[in-house]
Amino acid sequence: EIVLTQSPGTLSLSPGERAALSCRASQGLRRSYLAWYQQKPGQAPRLLIYGVSSRATGIPDRFSGSGSGTDFTLTITRLEPEDFAVYYCQQYDLSPQTFGQGTKVEFK
Amino acid sequence: QLHLQESGPGLVKPSETLSLTCTVSGASISSSVYHWAWIRQPPGKGLECLGGISSGGSTSYNPSFESRVTISVDTSKSQFSLKLSSVTAADTAVYYCVRQGEPLPGWYWGSWGQGTLVTVSS
Repeated sequence: EIVLTQSPGTLSLSPGERAALSCRASQGLRRSYLAWYQQKPGQAPRLLIYGVSSRATGIPDRFSGSGSGTDFTLTITRLEPEDFAVYYCQQYDLSPQTFGQGTKVEFK
Repeated sequence: QLHLQESGPGLVKPSETLSLTCTVSGASISSSVYHWAWIRQPPGKGLECLGGISSGGSTSYNPSFESRVTISVDTSKSQFSLKLSSVTAADTAVYYCVRQGEPLPGWYWGSWGQGTLVTVSS
């Protein structure tokens, strides 16, 4: 099973700042099958990015994904107040699909 | 607009079977090319996929749960279901039903139910 390690565990930032969230896989993904989700308290996760870098429908362009192999990044260029949440990466290249443990983006 | 709604008991006793149903509206589950799945989240923890099913009934289970999990689909009711046997306190979690994202392929999850908390306790 592929283990995804997200870092940092918590990111303390202010609105308007740039956020870079890391997701590292225990083995390289052969295909670009990595997704990112955002979860706010009491809500279901929401798909942000699929296929490493494709934005899901309705996702603002301040969210972008990049990476290959074992190292992937979710970047939020200018944090809006509604972006403070927990973010999870997910690999669906190899069964079983797995999720990272999450990165919390909190107000500084 | 696709809508998924989980239903089932919120409290299950240890060693018993957890049973949940997901009712799908706004899209036809029977003519769907998508996969449907169950994902859970223990309180304060991350996400894990138990397994999924196609509208034709083909299943794929996470090996961690394969001996205890059964996922089935009832296209006539536009529902799919989860059964998890021999539950323990470690199975206490919010359970989400989800649909595969688009475009295909790939088992990433574009649509989520609101989730339902299932507590395992005597």
